[in-house]
Amino acid sequence: EVQLVESGGGLVQPGGSLRLSCAASGFTFSSYWMSWVRQAPEKGLEWVANITQDGSEKYYVDSVKGRFTISRDNAKNSLYLQMNSLRAEDTAVYYCAREVGPTPEGWFDPWGQGTLVTVSS
Amino acid sequence: EIVLTQSPATLSLSPGERATLSCRASQSVSSYLAWYQQKPGQAPRLLIYDASNRATGIPARFSGSGSGTDFTLTISSLEPEDFAVYYCQQRKTFGQGTRLEIK
Repeated sequence: EVQLVESGGGLVQPGGSLRLSCAASGFTFSSYWMSWVRQAPEKGLEWVANITQDGSEKYYVDSVKGRFTISRDNAKNSLYLQMNSLRAEDTAVYYCAREVGPTPEGWFDPWGQGTLVTVSS
Repeated sequence: EIVLTQSPATLSLSPGERATLSCRASQSVSSYLAWYQQKPGQAPRLLIYDASNRATGIPARFSGSGSGTDFTLTISSLEPEDFAVYYCQQRKTFGQGTRLEIK
């Protein structure tokens, strides 16, 4: 079964840091682009960042550039999101998702169950 | 950057009725559009990709159509478990969602 399991969320103060992890199983992790997508409370979906199969290319939404870093460890079948200088507006459930189909026209399948990040003092 | 506009924002229907959800792109996206279903407290689930292809395990009552700028997700006969929020997606852009609620 193809599965993604996120961890690492929690409560952090503004300006703080957090590292999210996503453990992949059931597929050849190193063959796929991977993404992080977030959802603020009662809001819609927002793509945050993605990374190529070998980690050589990384892309970010403008609002997190310079603060967030996406990375992966193909030997550990794991995806990461290092989040620094966190702001209240970063409060959201963060999902990792596999990108499928022809880049950049693909879709996201599957999604992890999500991990909640709350930025508050 | 492409903008995806979904309508209506909320759709109130009864089980057994037909649901028609719309997604309009600000410029042509060919057939590169996906649809997702999200239930409360759950992650989004892929329903349709490339505008009209059902994902694995998705019931036949779900269908997608359209190309260019106008796309439709149709649920032919609503089941109780279909009441949820639906999103369209193209590249890294998502629509704002349509909430399908029980009338």
